[in-house]
Amino acid sequence: EPEVTQTPSHQVTQMGQEVILRCVPISNHLYFYWYRQILGQKVEFLVSFYNNEISEKSEIFDDQFSVERPDGSNFTLKIRSTKLEDSAMYFCASMGSGDQPQHFGDGTRLSIL
Amino acid sequence: AQSVTQLDSHVSVSEGTPVLLRCNYSSSYSPSLFWYVQHPNKGLQLLLKYTSAATLVKGINGFEAEFKKSETSFHLTKPSAHMSDAAEYFCVVSRWNTGNQFYFGTGTSLTVIP
Repeated sequence: EPEVTQTPSHQVTQMGQEVILRCVPISNHLYFYWYRQILGQKVEFLVSFYNNEISEKSEIFDDQFSVERPDGSNFTLKIRSTKLEDSAMYFCASMGSGDQPQHFGDGTRLSIL
Repeated sequence: AQSVTQLDSHVSVSEGTPVLLRCNYSSSYSPSLFWYVQHPNKGLQLLLKYTSAATLVKGINGFEAEFKKSETSFHLTKPSAHMSDAAEYFCVVSRWNTGNQFYFGTGTSLTVIP
């Protein structure tokens, strides 16, 4: 069964540095998402992406964050000037059509030191 | 606006006994509802989904859930718990017109006692 894959599984970065989290969605999916889960808290929506543009974003997704689909397969989340509070598990998800469930990757654990 | 409330943060059952994980939702429109499971250090796996078809939904691993509009509930059940069911379970609501953004509950941690 096709899967959403995320790399790296764990990223450790110094505060103030930029990080790029990578995702390869399921190949025929059209809708892409990023979520984050701070340790001990609920999974929170960050952003949705369709037709090469952001379709919706949450209050969390401020100017520090950006997403890109640089080619036909990758979907990236960039966090500029990371802060301690950015430490979390980041999940990528993709979806084929509007009435389908989202398929999630295994996540990237981001640790900011 | 959409939201879900998972009424129990922790549930503990004995192996072979029934499982009930409770979820209530709030939605201004007809919702789509999902249950996902998260095993330690793994991603979110879809257990089942409700998208306005049959109100009793069967999922993987023997789980099922019933959509009750009058009670705004979507409780997850399983007749007989297995050790491998120990995990975190998330109830999720979404609506297509919001870009299908998922709204997660806070999760229920299920412990299965041998």
